Amino acid sequence: DAGITQSPRHKVTETGTPVTLRCHQTENHRYMYWYRQDPGHGLRLIHYSYGVKDTDKGEVSDGYSVSRSKTEDFLLTLESATSSQTSVYFCAISELGATPWGYTFGSGTRLTVV
Amino acid sequence: DAKTTQPPSMDCAEGRAANLPCNHSTISGNEYVYWYRQIHSQGPQYIIHGLKNNETNEMASLIITEDRKSSTLILPHATLRDTAVYYCIVGRETSGSRLTFGEGTQLTVNP
Repeated sequence: DAGITQSPRHKVTETGTPVTLRCHQTENHRYMYWYRQDPGHGLRLIHYSYGVKDTDKGEVSDGYSVSRSKTEDFLLTLESATSSQTSVYFCAISELGATPWGYTFGSGTRLTVV
Repeated sequence: DAKTTQPPSMDCAEGRAANLPCNHSTISGNEYVYWYRQIHSQGPQYIIHGLKNNETNEMASLIITEDRKSSTLILPHATLRDTAVYYCIVGRETSGSRLTFGEGTQLTVNP
């Protein structure tokens, strides 16, 4: 499998606190994505990146920010966590012509905001 | 990107072929059909993709109708480990294409 790791795997945090999730890849892929998954909603795109310092918003970006200062790391930050951000967060990577084809997903981060 | 319609759930007997349908009637000429699956709470896994020709790999076969408005994913000999949520997605070429995952089809393979 492609080298993509998410950290932490599980986190419980209090409402109003900042939280940063990390996605790290060893594949040198240009594109990276953050999704959240909630029951009844499938996977929804939060933010994505198409290169170092190049990011853009997805369909559910409110309350989230991202940064990508180097190719291998894509950080997702919740500036002030809310209970509605309790979810499972998945990172994905992709690259034109890469093998295996398509998105490769990380194992996910389960975030609980209490 | 075009939207897709899939049945919410399907059952299949172990060892039999599982045929998962997908409708994508608004697909554009340059959009591919992708299939992913998600086993329990793991990250989704790429299965197969195609533009207009039928495709086969070690995991599955993809049959796309001539008008490209629908497709079928075929798992030729389903096993219990194939129990998962299967997503049919339409989008442009992967890189830079922000694929939209719907609800998918929950496939349950029964012994």
